[in-house]
Amino acid sequence: GIQVEQSPPDLILQEGANSTLRCNFSDSVNNLQWFHQNPWGQLINLFYIPSGTKQNGRLSATTVATERYSLLYISSSQTTDSGVYFCAVERPGTASKLTFGTGTRLQVTL
Amino acid sequence: GAVVSQHPSWVICKSGTSVKIECRSLDFQATTMFWYRQFPKQSLMLMATSNEGSKATYEQGVEKDKFLINHASLTLSTLTVTSAHPEDSSFYICSARDEGATGIYGWEKLFFGSGTQLSVL
Repeated sequence: GIQVEQSPPDLILQEGANSTLRCNFSDSVNNLQWFHQNPWGQLINLFYIPSGTKQNGRLSATTVATERYSLLYISSSQTTDSGVYFCAVERPGTASKLTFGTGTRLQVTL
Repeated sequence: GAVVSQHPSWVICKSGTSVKIECRSLDFQATTMFWYRQFPKQSLMLMATSNEGSKATYEQGVEKDKFLINHASLTLSTLTVTSAHPEDSSFYICSARDEGATGIYGWEKLFFGSGTQLSVL
């Protein structure tokens, strides 16, 4: 099956710092999505981004489908950004069945 | 946006008992729902796809007799962990497709519940 690896696995930032999270996937995908899982376990949709670049406030994401990777940029980080960030890909030939990446655990400190 | 309600939020049970988890789409009909499992500090793994009015389809390695899924209506899917054991302790999350949602990408139709933390003693 498809492999989805994220890096770094853990990241500690001081409030106000910027960061880049990476997602590599082993095969062609139909769609790619970024999630933030808050400390209570709730998954929050951040981006649907099978290709190209999108921005939403302090967050932006870029997917280069031909090279099988996606990047999530967090600028001016805040303590509320803490949690786990997952990328997830839609398996080819399926509808809405997601393969989640290994995750990046982010802690933003004061 | 659409809301998916999952209950209970957490449950503690004794080994050998069964536990039922509910996943409801509150403001849309969902012919398809998905169940994921997440062990501590690990990623989410798809367990099964729940189809309204038909049998669920399970991912490889998931015991269908242990994790019973029922999708009897367009707004409710249930996951029953039968004869639970400590190794079944995990965070279970459901998601549901809103076929009526707008958007050009399929995932704009996908919404997640808040999860259920199961602890088996």
